[in-house]
Amino acid sequence: DVKVTQSSRYLVKRTGEKVFLECVQDMDHENMFWYRQDPGLGLRLIYFSYDVKMKEKGDIPEGYSVSREKKERFSLILESASTNQTSMYLCASSQTGLNQPQHFGDGTRLSIL
Amino acid sequence: RKEVEQDPGPFNVPEGATVAFNCTYSNSASQSFFWYRQDCRKEPKLLMSVYSSGNEDGRFTAQLNRASQYISLLIRDSKLSDSATYLCVVNPNTGFQKLVFGTGTRLLVSP
Repeated sequence: DVKVTQSSRYLVKRTGEKVFLECVQDMDHENMFWYRQDPGLGLRLIYFSYDVKMKEKGDIPEGYSVSREKKERFSLILESASTNQTSMYLCASSQTGLNQPQHFGDGTRLSIL
Repeated sequence: RKEVEQDPGPFNVPEGATVAFNCTYSNSASQSFFWYRQDCRKEPKLLMSVYSSGNEDGRFTAQLNRASQYISLLIRDSKLSDSATYLCVVNPNTGFQKLVFGTGTRLLVSP
């Protein structure tokens, strides 16, 4: 089974802090993704990566950055946390190819106070 | 127009009922389709892929209609444990293995 592990289930930070969310997958997948999910808005793609050191902006990259130094690890960084970044953050990974689904981690519920 | 549209529901059905959800997508070049299930405050989990010829997995049947650009999910003999939100997911074939997620249809199965 694919295993995608996110570093924290729940996290509380303060406005202005730099926040790191970590994600590790154990299936040698090329592609990794960061989403946020808010009620009524569904999953929105923040950033994704299709290879080590490669990154692409998703639909809502403002206020975020990412790092992929190793194939199995994809980090999401909130440069200066704001209250409107309070959300559920989900990491996913997938293989490259037709009909490849994405597999999700448990999610991190992040609260910015 | 949204890339993927679903009726948010909720669909309230009794145990044992048959229920069907539809989902429409806007990009005719879309190439892969999936249904995911998401329980409250949990991550989405792959329920099934949707193939052109349609496919069945136990009580679940998925169909694709390319001409009308919609996919469907049929659940037979509903169980209490089927209560969840069902996400319609499409690969719009814009590269990089990106998927577009619908906002989900909520199903409530009651005793």
